[in-house]
Amino acid sequence: DGGITQSPKYLFRKEGQNVTLSCEQNLNHDAMYWYRQDPGQGLRLIYYSQIVNDFQKGDIAEGYSVSREKKESFPLTVTSAQKNPTAFYLCASSSGVSQPQHFGDGTRLSIL
Amino acid sequence: AQSVTQPDIHITVSEGASLELRCNYSYGATPYLFWYVQSPGQGLQLLLKYFSGDTLVQGIKGFEAEFKRSQSSFNLRKPSVHWSDAAEYFCAVGLYSGGGADGLTFGKGTHLIIQP
Repeated sequence: DGGITQSPKYLFRKEGQNVTLSCEQNLNHDAMYWYRQDPGQGLRLIYYSQIVNDFQKGDIAEGYSVSREKKESFPLTVTSAQKNPTAFYLCASSSGVSQPQHFGDGTRLSIL
Repeated sequence: AQSVTQPDIHITVSEGASLELRCNYSYGATPYLFWYVQSPGQGLQLLLKYFSGDTLVQGIKGFEAEFKRSQSSFNLRKPSVHWSDAAEYFCAVGLYSGGGADGLTFGKGTHLIIQP
């Protein structure tokens, strides 16, 4: 079955450490997205990519970085510059304009 | 800037009763609108979408939504709720630049509680 796979499901970060969240899709979608979800805050856009080797900042990109070297993969790195990284992170993809986004099952990041 | 407002943080409905979840948006052009549902610890599942045409759209699980341009609203409805409908519901508006799909702006969600 086609879908979006996020790993790991749970992740712990030590102070000063960078961590990378994985997102892989086999839907052949061009566009991919990363959102952060905090309780009572809905989802907020971190980064998105409409095509390989290109990506744009969303509303809350500070302290995060991404790459898009392959169509199927859009990893998110939470850097030590992100002072409040504890959240639920959701990856999504879509086939383009006017198409809905499909979501993975998320990664929950916590601070040790 | 675009925004989405879901006025109700929590809603409690008796099983078998009707449901309406409210959503208001602010957007400079004709929006692309979505409703998603999220179970605890899970990703989001698309319930329905509005792009153009008929303002009453049907979705999965018996849900429907009506786009009202004059009220900037896209309320979600279901005639009779089931206990399995208990979840978090998100309304979202699509952002599209000349280059493609830029991302979704989400409301803060409505937590639906079903009473037996």
